[in-house]
Amino acid sequence: NAGVTQTPKFRILKIGQSMTLQCAQDMNHNYMYWYRQDPGMGLKLIYYSVGAGITDKGEVPNGYNVSRSTTEDFPLRLELAAPSQTSVYFCASSYGEGGGTNIQYFGAGTRLSVL
Amino acid sequence: DAKTTQPNSMESNEEEPVHLPCNHSTISGTDYIHWYRQLPSQGPEYVIHGLTSNVNNRMASLAIAEDRKSSTLILHRATLRDAAVYYCIPISRGGTSYGKLTFGQGTILTVHP
Repeated sequence: NAGVTQTPKFRILKIGQSMTLQCAQDMNHNYMYWYRQDPGMGLKLIYYSVGAGITDKGEVPNGYNVSRSTTEDFPLRLELAAPSQTSVYFCASSYGEGGGTNIQYFGAGTRLSVL
Repeated sequence: DAKTTQPNSMESNEEEPVHLPCNHSTISGTDYIHWYRQLPSQGPEYVIHGLTSNVNNRMASLAIAEDRKSSTLILHRATLRDAAVYYCIPISRGGTSYGKLTFGQGTILTVHP
C-alpha cells in the first residue's frame, strides 16, 4: 500500500516556466489537498477537492490551478513560476469522515525552487 | 479558527516521557483537538485526536483539560525517531466536512541519546 505518492521529489524552475506537480493516492479517499510550506513555517492550504470533478480554493490559491478527473489523482499546475512559489509542496488525502474527525495522510513532498 | 499556543521548542532524553502542552483557550465546545507531527524532510503525520476524554493509541496519549482550554500530548518513552515538529490543531466538529487543517508554528522536539 503506497499511500500518497508525489512526483517529482525535487525541481528547479526558471521564472515564467510552467510545471505540474503530480499526486496520486491508492486508499480510495474522497478528499485530496495541496499545501505549501515555506521555510520555518507551518503548512498553508492551496486547493482541495471533495471528489472527482469538484475542487475549491484554500488560503493561498493565486498562481496555481488544479483538476480532479479521477478519485486517485490530484495534479497541481503552476502556470508562470515566480520566486515567491519557491516552497515545499505537500499533497494529502482523507476519507472525509466529517464531524471534526477527518484524518489526513500526507505525501513526502516536492521541493521546488524558482530561480 | 481557534488560536493555539505551543512552546517553540522542548528537549527530552531517550526513553523518558515527554509532555507537549498546547493552549487553545478560544476553542469552541464542538472543536476536536488533533495532533500531527512532522519528521525532518517528511510530510506531516497524524498522531492522535480527541474531544473531551483522554485518548490513547499506539503512538501517544492525549490528555485534555476539563475546561478544554488546554491539552497535553504524551509520548510515554521518547525515541530518537520521535524528534519532530509537533502541531496542535483544533478542528470544528460542525464545520466543513473537508476538515481544513490550520498549521501554526508547532513545537520542535529534540530527543537526546
